[in-house]
Amino acid sequence: DVKVTQSSRYLVKRTGEKVFLECVQDMDHENMFWYRQDPGLGLRLIYFSYDVKMKEKGDIPEGYSVSREKKERFSLILESASTNQTSMYLCASSSPGGGYAEAFFGQGTRLTVV
Amino acid sequence: GENVEQHPSTLSVQEGDSAVIKCTYSDSASNYFPWYKQELGKRPQLIIDIRSNVGEKKDQRIAVTLNKTAKHFSLHITETQPEDSAVYFCAASNTGTASKLTFGTGTRLQVTL
Repeated sequence: DVKVTQSSRYLVKRTGEKVFLECVQDMDHENMFWYRQDPGLGLRLIYFSYDVKMKEKGDIPEGYSVSREKKERFSLILESASTNQTSMYLCASSSPGGGYAEAFFGQGTRLTVV
Repeated sequence: GENVEQHPSTLSVQEGDSAVIKCTYSDSASNYFPWYKQELGKRPQLIIDIRSNVGEKKDQRIAVTLNKTAKHFSLHITETQPEDSAVYFCAASNTGTASKLTFGTGTRLQVTL
């Protein structure tokens, strides 16, 4: 059973703080993704990584960075949190699978920036 | 980049009726179209997918159709049950791009008794 685990379910941070969201997967997947989920906007891709130390920008990378030092761990960093980054953040992983691979999601981190 | 539009945003059906959710995509290079179901408070999970070389795929009460010419694909749920109530997301990807999925905005399906 694939497990994608996010470090926190709920998080409250202050404006200007540096925030780290951690994601760990146990299936040796090459691909890892960070999405944010907002009502009416669906799932929007922030960053993704297809290998250790590799990263690529998604559709909404502004204000975020990522780190992938180990294959199983993918971190999302909010350099200076702002209220418009209040959202649900979802991590996902998948194997290459020729591109037809199922994405497995974590349980989500609901971040509130006050 | 790819853009996926999804309609309707909300859908209410009576138990036993059918439900149809429609999506359109913009990138003709997209060739993989999965559907994810997200129950309240839970993570999204894959329920069915279709590749561009296939026009239709069925799995029990759910089916997906793809029209490559029109660049649209649809999810059909027959004989709906209360446990089908959830948010459904369509997605598209070009398999040459590390399985990067572009999602639609979601459809909240409510199955009433």
